[in-house]
Amino acid sequence: KAGVTQTPRYLIKTRGQQVTLSCSPISGHRSVSWYQQTPGQGLQFLFEYFSETQRNKGNFPGRFSGRQFSNSRSEMNVSTLELGDSALYLCASSLGGSKGTEAFFGQGTRLTVV
Amino acid sequence: AQSVTQPDIHITVSEGASLELRCNYSYGATPYLFWYVQSPGQGLQLLLKYFSGDTLVQGIKGFEAEFKRSQSSFNLRKPSVHWSDAAEYFCALYNQAGTALIFGKGTTLSVSS
Repeated sequence: KAGVTQTPRYLIKTRGQQVTLSCSPISGHRSVSWYQQTPGQGLQFLFEYFSETQRNKGNFPGRFSGRQFSNSRSEMNVSTLELGDSALYLCASSLGGSKGTEAFFGQGTRLTVV
Repeated sequence: AQSVTQPDIHITVSEGASLELRCNYSYGATPYLFWYVQSPGQGLQLLLKYFSGDTLVQGIKGFEAEFKRSQSSFNLRKPSVHWSDAAEYFCALYNQAGTALIFGKGTTLSVSS
Protein backbone atom coordinates (compact mmCIF):
# COMPACT_ATOMS: atom_id res chain seq x y z
CA LYS A 1 0.00 0.00 0.00
CA ALA A 2 1.37 3.42 -0.94
CA GLY A 3 2.76 5.57 1.83
CA VAL A 4 2.39 9.27 2.48
CA THR A 5 3.46 11.27 -0.56
CA GLN A 6 4.73 14.81 -0.33
CA THR A 7 5.42 17.04 -3.30
CA PRO A 8 7.65 18.63 -4.23
CA ARG A 9 10.64 17.14 -2.44
CA TYR A 10 12.75 20.27 -2.78
CA LEU A 11 11.93 23.93 -3.24
CA ILE A 12 13.95 27.11 -3.40
CA LYS A 13 12.04 30.36 -2.96
CA THR A 14 12.90 34.00 -2.51
CA ARG A 15 12.06 36.04 0.55
CA GLY A 16 8.60 37.57 0.26
CA GLN A 17 7.24 34.91 -2.08
CA GLN A 18 4.62 32.37 -1.13
CA VAL A 19 4.74 28.59 -1.42
CA THR A 20 2.28 25.70 -1.43
CA LEU A 21 3.22 22.20 -0.34
CA SER A 22 1.13 19.13 -1.00
CA CYS A 23 0.52 15.93 0.94
CA SER A 24 -1.35 12.81 -0.16
CA PRO A 25 -2.13 10.56 2.82
CA ILE A 26 -2.29 6.80 2.96
CA SER A 27 -5.51 5.55 1.43
CA GLY A 28 -8.25 5.45 4.05
CA HIS A 29 -6.52 7.86 6.41
CA ARG A 30 -8.63 10.89 7.26
CA SER A 31 -6.24 12.81 9.49
CA VAL A 32 -3.34 14.81 8.11
CA SER A 33 -0.94 16.81 10.23
CA TRP A 34 2.01 19.02 9.36
CA TYR A 35 5.30 19.55 11.17
CA GLN A 36 8.25 21.88 10.67
CA GLN A 37 11.71 20.51 11.37
CA THR A 38 14.69 22.80 11.86
CA PRO A 39 18.09 22.16 13.48
CA GLY A 40 17.42 24.75 16.18
CA GLN A 41 13.79 24.11 17.10
CA GLY A 42 13.48 20.44 16.22
CA LEU A 43 10.09 19.07 15.20
CA GLN A 44 7.23 21.48 15.78
CA PHE A 45 3.55 20.89 15.14
CA LEU A 46 1.89 23.21 12.62
CA PHE A 47 -1.71 21.99 12.26
CA GLU A 48 -3.94 18.95 11.94
CA TYR A 49 -6.94 18.31 9.73
CA PHE A 50 -9.57 15.64 9.99
CA SER A 51 -12.34 15.30 7.42
CA GLU A 52 -11.60 18.77 6.04
CA THR A 53 -11.77 20.45 9.47
CA GLN A 54 -8.81 21.94 11.26
CA ARG A 55 -8.86 20.40 14.73
CA ASN A 56 -5.65 21.79 16.10
CA LYS A 57 -3.12 24.50 15.31
CA GLY A 58 0.38 25.01 16.62
CA ASN A 59 2.03 28.22 17.65
CA PHE A 60 2.93 29.61 14.24
CA PRO A 61 2.09 32.99 12.67
CA GLY A 62 -0.90 33.43 10.41
CA ARG A 63 1.38 33.29 7.36
CA PHE A 64 1.17 29.53 7.76
CA SER A 65 -2.14 28.07 6.65
CA GLY A 66 -3.48 24.80 5.43
CA ARG A 67 -6.49 23.00 4.11
CA GLN A 68 -7.74 19.51 3.47
CA PHE A 69 -9.80 18.34 0.56
CA SER A 70 -12.63 15.83 0.45
CA ASN A 71 -10.22 13.09 -0.71
CA SER A 72 -8.11 13.79 2.42
CA ARG A 73 -5.25 15.30 0.45
CA SER A 74 -3.85 18.36 2.19
CA GLU A 75 -1.95 21.47 1.27
CA MET A 76 -0.11 23.95 3.39
CA ASN A 77 0.69 27.46 2.31
CA VAL A 78 3.28 29.87 3.59
CA SER A 79 2.93 33.48 2.50
CA THR A 80 5.51 36.27 2.63
CA LEU A 81 8.37 33.85 3.12
CA GLU A 82 11.14 34.69 5.57
CA LEU A 83 14.64 33.24 5.76
CA GLY A 84 13.67 31.52 8.99
CA ASP A 85 11.02 29.49 7.17
CA SER A 86 13.76 27.38 5.64
CA ALA A 87 13.09 23.92 7.00
CA LEU A 88 12.03 20.37 6.29
CA TYR A 89 8.24 20.24 6.27
CA LEU A 90 6.81 16.86 7.16
CA CYS A 91 3.31 15.62 6.66
CA ALA A 92 1.84 12.71 8.60
CA SER A 93 -1.36 10.79 8.11
CA SER A 94 -3.34 8.58 10.44
CA LEU A 95 -6.75 7.00 10.59
CA GLY A 96 -7.73 9.72 13.04
CA GLY A 97 -11.05 9.67 14.81
CA SER A 98 -9.53 8.37 18.02
CA LYS A 99 -6.35 8.88 19.95
CA GLY A 100 -4.91 5.44 19.53
CA THR A 101 -3.82 5.52 15.91
CA GLU A 102 -0.23 5.89 14.86
CA ALA A 103 0.94 8.57 12.46
CA PHE A 104 2.89 7.73 9.32
CA PHE A 105 5.20 10.33 7.85
CA GLY A 106 6.10 11.30 4.32
CA GLN A 107 9.63 11.99 3.09
CA GLY A 108 9.17 15.71 3.58
CA THR A 109 9.60 18.83 1.49
CA ARG A 110 12.88 20.66 1.93
CA LEU A 111 12.17 24.39 1.60
CA THR A 112 15.05 26.81 1.22
CA VAL A 113 14.32 30.54 1.35
CA VAL A 114 17.01 32.79 -0.11
CA ALA B 1 2.54 20.87 30.50
CA GLN B 2 3.17 18.00 28.17
CA SER B 3 6.76 17.53 27.10
CA VAL B 4 9.34 14.99 26.02
CA THR B 5 13.01 15.08 26.99
CA GLN B 6 15.78 13.13 25.35
CA PRO B 7 18.80 13.80 27.58
CA ASP B 8 21.42 12.53 25.12
CA ILE B 9 22.05 14.63 22.03
CA HIS B 10 24.60 12.25 20.53
CA ILE B 11 25.60 8.67 21.34
CA THR B 12 28.31 6.53 19.76
CA VAL B 13 28.10 2.75 20.06
CA SER B 14 30.35 0.04 18.70
CA GLU B 15 28.81 -2.30 16.16
CA GLY B 16 27.48 -5.36 17.94
CA ALA B 17 27.18 -3.59 21.29
CA SER B 18 23.90 -2.98 23.06
CA LEU B 19 22.07 0.30 22.87
CA GLU B 20 19.78 2.25 25.17
CA LEU B 21 18.34 5.64 24.24
CA ARG B 22 16.64 7.57 27.00
CA CYS B 23 13.31 9.31 26.88
CA ASN B 24 11.48 11.06 29.72
CA TYR B 25 8.04 12.57 29.44
CA SER B 26 5.75 14.88 31.32
CA TYR B 27 2.05 14.11 30.98
CA GLY B 28 -0.94 14.16 33.30
CA ALA B 29 -2.44 10.81 32.40
CA THR B 30 -1.37 7.62 30.64
CA PRO B 31 0.57 8.80 27.59
CA TYR B 32 0.52 7.44 24.09
CA LEU B 33 4.24 7.09 23.32
CA PHE B 34 6.22 6.51 20.16
CA TRP B 35 9.75 6.09 18.91
CA TYR B 36 10.59 7.22 15.40
CA VAL B 37 13.83 6.97 13.41
CA GLN B 38 15.01 9.38 10.75
CA SER B 39 17.83 8.80 8.26
CA PRO B 40 19.49 11.90 6.76
CA GLY B 41 17.18 13.80 4.44
CA GLN B 42 14.32 11.37 5.00
CA GLY B 43 11.00 11.35 6.79
CA LEU B 44 10.26 9.63 10.08
CA GLN B 45 9.75 5.88 10.33
CA LEU B 46 7.76 4.47 13.23
CA LEU B 47 9.78 1.97 15.28
CA LEU B 48 7.25 1.15 17.98
CA LYS B 49 4.40 2.51 20.06
CA TYR B 50 2.93 2.18 23.54
CA PHE B 51 -0.74 2.80 24.17
CA SER B 52 -1.58 0.52 27.10
CA GLY B 53 -1.10 -3.00 28.42
CA ASP B 54 2.25 -4.75 28.48
CA THR B 55 4.92 -2.22 29.40
CA LEU B 56 7.57 -3.89 27.24
CA VAL B 57 6.80 -3.29 23.59
CA GLN B 58 8.50 -4.80 20.59
CA GLY B 59 9.09 -2.91 17.39
CA ILE B 60 10.66 -3.26 14.01
CA LYS B 61 14.36 -3.82 13.28
CA GLY B 62 14.90 -5.61 16.62
CA PHE B 63 14.10 -2.59 18.81
CA GLU B 64 12.12 -2.70 22.03
CA ALA B 65 11.08 -0.11 24.60
CA GLU B 66 9.93 -0.27 28.19
CA PHE B 67 7.33 2.05 29.66
CA LYS B 68 8.01 2.90 33.31
CA ARG B 69 5.29 5.05 34.81
CA SER B 70 7.13 5.54 38.11
CA GLN B 71 10.11 7.03 36.29
CA SER B 72 8.13 8.75 33.51
CA SER B 73 10.40 7.03 31.05
CA PHE B 74 10.12 5.17 27.77
CA ASN B 75 13.66 4.06 26.91
CA LEU B 76 14.50 2.43 23.60
CA ARG B 77 16.81 -0.61 23.54
CA LYS B 78 18.49 -2.92 21.07
CA PRO B 79 20.68 -5.84 22.11
CA SER B 80 23.12 -5.65 19.17
CA VAL B 81 23.55 -2.55 17.03
CA HIS B 82 24.24 -2.73 13.30
CA TRP B 83 25.99 -0.03 11.26
CA SER B 84 22.70 0.60 9.44
CA ASP B 85 21.12 1.75 12.73
CA ALA B 86 23.07 5.01 12.56
CA ALA B 87 20.38 7.68 12.37
CA GLU B 88 18.48 10.18 14.49
CA TYR B 89 15.92 8.83 16.94
CA PHE B 90 12.92 10.72 18.23
CA CYS B 91 10.67 9.97 21.16
CA ALA B 92 7.17 11.46 20.99
CA LEU B 93 3.80 11.49 22.70
CA TYR B 94 0.32 12.53 21.66
CA ASN B 95 -1.24 15.66 23.11
CA GLN B 96 -4.42 15.26 25.18
CA ALA B 97 -6.71 15.43 22.17
CA GLY B 98 -4.64 13.01 20.13
CA THR B 99 -4.28 15.53 17.32
CA ALA B 100 -0.61 16.46 17.61
CA LEU B 101 2.65 14.73 18.39
CA ILE B 102 5.02 16.36 20.85
CA PHE B 103 8.60 15.41 20.03
CA GLY B 104 11.82 15.32 21.96
CA LYS B 105 14.85 17.03 20.43
CA GLY B 106 16.21 13.75 19.18
CA THR B 107 19.31 11.61 19.78
CA THR B 108 21.83 11.08 17.00
CA LEU B 109 23.26 7.58 17.01
CA SER B 110 26.66 6.91 15.47
CA VAL B 111 27.92 3.36 15.09
CA SER B 112 31.66 2.70 15.10
CA SER B 113 33.30 -0.37 13.63
